[in-house]
Amino acid sequence: DAGVIQSPRHEVTEMGQEVTLRCKPISGHDYLFWYRQTMMRGLELLIYFNNNVPIDDSGMPEDRFSAKMPNASFSTLKIQPSEPRDSAVYFCASTSQQGVAGYTFGSGTRLTVV
Amino acid sequence: QQPVQSPQAVILREGEDAVINCSSSKALYSVHWYRQKHGEAPVFLMILLKGGEQKGHEKISASFNEKKQQSSLYLTASQLSYSGTYFCGTFGSSNTGKLIFGQGTTLQVKP
Repeated sequence: DAGVIQSPRHEVTEMGQEVTLRCKPISGHDYLFWYRQTMMRGLELLIYFNNNVPIDDSGMPEDRFSAKMPNASFSTLKIQPSEPRDSAVYFCASTSQQGVAGYTFGSGTRLTVV
Repeated sequence: QQPVQSPQAVILREGEDAVINCSSSKALYSVHWYRQKHGEAPVFLMILLKGGEQKGHEKISASFNEKKQQSSLYLTASQLSYSGTYFCGTFGSSNTGKLIFGQGTTLQVKP
């Protein structure tokens, strides 16, 4: 298995632009998570899905952030419009069995908003 | 509720031991431990599911005291490859799959 695949690896965009981050979870995993990592706030859970259904989006910072999971093999996190404070590394992770086997993280997308 | 880790940072010489603690103000169902090297993704080390359970992974082991709502990670005879940031992650009592991470403990092992 190729693991959790995220794209792009790096994204530099101007303030106000729309940004879309993509994630392909491990086949057979029924949970998918989006985390954001910054020096100040550490690893923050933004939203998670179970069987493609959003379960908890309480970590989404504001309405500028949205996430979708149209099928079991693809998810997107969108920021519109982007702001400099959104600069961070965004990780996608997936797991099965409610996480008892551990989470597998993708390589992350380093987002820089200038 | 985010778990609290201590210490925030540790510097060791090769061969020395270290303990990283993780505590929560809420009842815990389980505790995960992950290691993240600079510029990389967090990597799963182990999960502890039962009160008082202790597990091992090479020279890295952990304990989980359910009653005290805390877990400890033990690194013995540390190697250079152990350097990185260690995170504990906790599930609440309902085990919803929603893992909340502590702020991390940075471990640096020097030759």
